Amino acid sequence: DIQMTQSPSSLSASVGDRVTITCQASQDISNDLNWYQQKAGKAPKLLISDASTLETGVPSRFSGSGSGTDFTFTISGLQPEDIATYYCQQYDNLSPSLTFGGGTKVELK
Amino acid sequence: EVQLVQSGAEVKKPGTTVKISCKVSGHTFTDYHMHWIQQAPGKGLDWMGLVDPHDGETIYAEKFQDRVTFTADTSTDTAYMELNSLMSDDTAVYYCATVSSGSYVGSFDYWGQGTLVTVSS
Repeated sequence: DIQMTQSPSSLSASVGDRVTITCQASQDISNDLNWYQQKAGKAPKLLISDASTLETGVPSRFSGSGSGTDFTFTISGLQPEDIATYYCQQYDNLSPSLTFGGGTKVELK
Repeated sequence: EVQLVQSGAEVKKPGTTVKISCKVSGHTFTDYHMHWIQQAPGKGLDWMGLVDPHDGETIYAEKFQDRVTFTADTSTDTAYMELNSLMSDDTAVYYCATVSSGSYVGSFDYWGQGTLVTVSS
């Protein structure tokens, strides 16, 4: 099974800060990598698919990059409404299977 | 508008079975694989597997394959997840979610609201 290592597990930042989260896959997954936002008590929401495709309606301050084994998720200007836990998720259509990263809790400083 | 509406919270005793439903509206039920995801309190997301409502094919994650059963009722556009031999570690919120691309796996575009299962003696 493909393992996803997400870091950091938590971070504290101020409004307007640039926030970066990374995910590393245990093997090459091309760009089969998605990012989700989960607010307290709610289901996750898809923000970015295929490593870098912003979903419709998602603010442009969110972005994703990477391919192969190393991926980055960025919030370029943290807003109070961005306080949430963020997860990466890889998928493998050959197995088929998928795995989530451990999550990153983003808090306001 | 696509909606996945799950059944309500459950309290179960250890060793028993829970069955959760996920009713789909707004898209053709048989066109998209239905996945189930577990989230223990304060923990991350754990993929349990999927069912293809079109033909009932199931794929289970290794961690759950001995105790979980997924089914789909095309007459009511409802998917079900049954987990047996419940243990305290099964206390969690369970989500149903769909991959709208039509592939087995991909990105989860639509999610149910979650169902809390509490296992306690």
